[in-house]
Formats: sequence, structure tokens, C-alpha cells
Amino acid sequence: NAGVTQTPKFRILKIGQSMTLQCAQDMNHNYMYWYRQDPGMGLKLIYYSVGAGITDKGEVPNGYNVSRSTTEDFPLRLELAAPSQTSVYFCASSFGGSGEQFFGPGTRLTVL
Amino acid sequence: AQKITQTQPGMFVQEKEAVTLDCTYDTSDQSYGLFWYKQPSSGEMIFLIYQGSYDEQNATEGRYSLNFQKARKSANLVISASQLGDSAMYFCAMREGQGDNYGQNFVFGPGTRLSVLP
Repeated sequence: NAGVTQTPKFRILKIGQSMTLQCAQDMNHNYMYWYRQDPGMGLKLIYYSVGAGITDKGEVPNGYNVSRSTTEDFPLRLELAAPSQTSVYFCASSFGGSGEQFFGPGTRLTVL
Repeated sequence: AQKITQTQPGMFVQEKEAVTLDCTYDTSDQSYGLFWYKQPSSGEMIFLIYQGSYDEQNATEGRYSLNFQKARKSANLVISASQLGDSAMYFCAMREGQGDNYGQNFVFGPGTRLSVLP
């Protein structure tokens, strides 16, 4: 099993550009999550999904969108990138909402 | 109000000694779960240990144990026999809610940086 994979590992965006962060898991987990981690801080939940076709906002959803068309994939879309979105983005998955979350390696995004 | 408080931004411990990392939480739910994660300098998040609010025994996983004091709302992580490889950031996290519909209530604390000295 590859676990949770994320692409790209690093990305630099200009202000106003858009991009999609990819996340995939091969553990047949129904729950998937997107977090951001700002320097020296803990993780904050952006969006989560309890299954294909079902998504909901977390603590900091503004400026982001998600979709979940399959169990495996949970892409995060940034529209009109802003410097405040400079962060490390982690995708995670779990079997059920109470299960341990398995994390991807993260994507380091810089918006200049 | 902070849901998860970790009052120790940084901690030092001598190799082979035990260390306790503090975590207090705030919730009005009766059913919740508490997690500890380790984040080494390489950046990945590694699950360490889990404690459910209804679990009567303190959770243990190898050298990790969770000192769960429900009335005080604390869930401290104890690492026994520290190793140099334990140097990392440690995050306490809480999942609130009952049933299978609480994904949004998963919050992390600010973390504690542990440094193990040789």
C-alpha cells in the first residue's frame, strides 16, 4: 500500500494564480481531510469528506474548494492564490471519523 | 477559547530519561477522542497513541503512554526511556462528537518541541 500520497511536494505560485493539490489514498478509507500548517503552528482543518460526493467545511475553508468524486481521491483547489495561503498542506484519511488519521507527506506552497 | 492547550513550547530531556508532555482540552461532549502525533524535522505526521473518552485504562503503545485525567481534562503524553530519535514536535489533538458525523471537530494543539540531549 502506498498509503496517502500528495502531489506536488513543492510549488511556488504568483498572487492570483490557481492550482489544485492532489491527494489519493489506497486504504479504502471513507473519511478524508485537508489541513494547513503555518510555520510554528499546529494543523487547521480546511475541508473534510465522509465519502464520495460528500464534503463539508472545516475551520478555515475560505479561499479553497474541494471535490470527492471517488473514494480514493480528494483534490484541494486554490482559486486566486494569496500570500496568506503560503503554508504546508497535509491530506489525511481515516476509516470512520473516530479512527486514526493517516497523513500524506505534505505539499509546501509559497505564494509570492 | 482554545480547544487544545499545550503549555510547553519547548522541552529538553536527557537521553534514557522519561518526559511528560502536557495537554489540556476543552469540550462539552461526553464522547470524544484524544490523539498524539509526532512530527520530526522531515515534516511527516506520525500517529503515536489514542485515548477514547470512555476508555477506563490509560492507553499505552510501547514507550508511549497517555496519562488521561478526565475530570481535569488533561491527556499528557509520557515518553519513557527517551531516545535521540524522539526529538521532534509533538501535537495533541482531539476529535469531538459521537457517532460517525463529526469530522469537522478535529482540532490540534500548537505543539511542543522536544529535544533529547545525549
